[in-house]
Amino acid sequence: DAGVTQSPTHLIKTRGQQVTLRCSPKSGHDTVSWYQQALGQGPQFIFQYYEEEERQRGNFPDRFSGHQFPNYSSELNVNALLLGDSALYLCASSSGTGRPLREQYFGPGTRLTVT
Amino acid sequence: GEDVEQSLFLSVREGDSSVINCTYTDSSSTYLYWYKQEPGAGLQLLTYIFSNMDMKQDQRLTVLLNKKDKHLSLRIADTQTGDSAIYFCAEESMDSSYKLIFGSGTRLLVRP
Repeated sequence: DAGVTQSPTHLIKTRGQQVTLRCSPKSGHDTVSWYQQALGQGPQFIFQYYEEEERQRGNFPDRFSGHQFPNYSSELNVNALLLGDSALYLCASSSGTGRPLREQYFGPGTRLTVT
Repeated sequence: GEDVEQSLFLSVREGDSSVINCTYTDSSSTYLYWYKQEPGAGLQLLTYIFSNMDMKQDQRLTVLLNKKDKHLSLRIADTQTGDSAIYFCAEESMDSSYKLIFGSGTRLLVRP
């Protein structure tokens, strides 16, 4: 049973560009959350998608957007990249019912470097 | 506001016990969590505790919760070199049961 998978593993972009990161949830999970982890910091919640809609959003600008597909996979898009967007982007999946956070699984992350 | 604080670094000798501490601010938190992150890897959920509990034990891991002081600790018995990693404390957000608020992490170094 594959866990949460993310692609690509690493990515280098230039300031001002746009980037799309992808996540496939663990089998049986229908909810995807995205977190940003800057170097030396804990992860910060960006948003969560459930039933193809954004259910909850953290304190991130509109440059950060997302999408969830009917197969529950998800994309994170970041426009007009800034140097400060350099981070490890983590995807987490869970089931939308009950208490999801206790059964939340994280992927290995995508390391984004903005130059 | 919501804030979770941890000490930055802990070094122990192999075979000793490790105690990683955390303080949180949201008194309404229902669950508190401990995650482990190894180099180049994502987060692995180690254990969690419900806020009406004082202690939870899971094999080598013991979680202690002092709700009055908003203090959470993770004790690792018989620490091994494979336990070297960054440990994150996290609480459920007061305004949502869908997101976690993480601390900055404690780097645990286990010396042979």
